[in-house]
Amino acid sequence: QVQLAESGGGVVQPGGSLRLSCATSGFTFSNYGMHWVRQAPGKGLEWVAFIRYDGSNKFYADSVQGRFTISRDNSKNTLYLQMNSLRTGDTAVYYCAKTGGILHYFDYWGQGILVTVSS
Amino acid sequence: EIMMTQSPVTLSVSPGERATLSCRASQSVSINLAWYQQKPGQAPRLLMYGASTRATGIPARFSGSGSGTEFTLTISSLQSEDFAVYYCQQYNNWPLTFGGGTKVEIK
Repeated sequence: QVQLAESGGGVVQPGGSLRLSCATSGFTFSNYGMHWVRQAPGKGLEWVAFIRYDGSNKFYADSVQGRFTISRDNSKNTLYLQMNSLRTGDTAVYYCAKTGGILHYFDYWGQGILVTVSS
Repeated sequence: EIMMTQSPVTLSVSPGERATLSCRASQSVSINLAWYQQKPGQAPRLLMYGASTRATGIPARFSGSGSGTEFTLTISSLQSEDFAVYYCQQYNNWPLTFGGGTKVEIK
């Protein structure tokens, strides 16, 4: 069965950096685009970033453009999110999510990982 | 950016009753609309995509309709496990955007 598992979260000071990983299994990772979606405490869902199946194309939300970088290693079936210049407003649970094919809805989600940006 | 507006914010329904949730887009998204269910402490779960196609394993009591800017998710007879927050999401344009959610609570 499809499984997605995030890791790398924690507490970081404003201005700091963190790298999230999403280990996947149960599907052919190299055939699917992948996303990061976040949810601030008690708030709704916010799409963060997308990477095409082969890594050739990436899109970002305006709120993270220039600070976050999405990447993938198809040999390791793993998705990454490098987060730099973190702000308190980046505090959220971060989910990795698999695209439902060529269309950008999310058919499988990880369990989420909490990132807290605080001094 | 396409704004997604969900109504109502909270819906109080008795078990066995019908629930109707609405989602409106600020511009046409065709049928590129998905619905998700989220329970406390859990990741969202895909319910519907293409506005009206149920995802794998989703019971038939869930149905979706609409196109363009107006969409509806209907739960025909609420079960105890259906009390949750529901989000719509458009995937017609970048950036992908979600509605603010509708909480379905027990009346």
